Amino acid sequence: NAGVTQTPKFRVLKTGQSMTLLCAQDMNHEYMYWYRQDPGMGLRLIHYSVGEGTTAKGEVPDGYNVSRLKKQNFLLGLESAAPSQTSVYFCASSYSTSGSRYNEQFFGPGTRLTVL
Amino acid sequence: GENVEQHPSTLSVQEGDSAVIKCTYSDSASNYFPWYKQELGKGPQLIIDIRSNVGEKKDQRIAVTLNKTAKHFSLHITETQPEDSAVYFCAAESNTGKLIFGQGTTLQVKP
Repeated sequence: NAGVTQTPKFRVLKTGQSMTLLCAQDMNHEYMYWYRQDPGMGLRLIHYSVGEGTTAKGEVPDGYNVSRLKKQNFLLGLESAAPSQTSVYFCASSYSTSGSRYNEQFFGPGTRLTVL
Repeated sequence: GENVEQHPSTLSVQEGDSAVIKCTYSDSASNYFPWYKQELGKGPQLIIDIRSNVGEKKDQRIAVTLNKTAKHFSLHITETQPEDSAVYFCAAESNTGKLIFGQGTTLQVKP
């Protein structure tokens, strides 16, 4: 099992450009998440999905869109990149969010994005 | 809103010493508290977790304690080793089922 994979690993954009980050999981998890990690701020939830075809806003959703057309994939889009979106982006997935051991979130290796 | 505060932000210890990281949370409805370890260049990985019906949980050299009255929980690492060097995140599950993460602690274990 590959677990959670992210594509690409690194990317440099110019202000105003668009891009899509791809997350894939092979654990048949219902829940998927996109976080951004910035120094001194921990992991902040951007958007999440509780199942195929569903998405919801997290803590910092502005400037991002997501789609979950297939259960195993969760895409994060930046329509018009800004320097404030320079960050490391992590995708995660979990079986459930019931507060039990089953809501362990499995993280991908991250995508380092720089917006100039 | 829901918030998790984590201290210290950096921690340096000698190999063999103990390390303690503390977190406080604001949502009294939280009842699940995981700890994640992030090694350089990798994603966070769950190392231990605790639920609100338990006050302490141990797994070899790591332990977590929870004080629901005071709304704080701590990670204890004993007999630290260089491979324990990493960034550690605490988290609390919100009443909406999402995890709220602390700011992270960079632990350096000096040989």
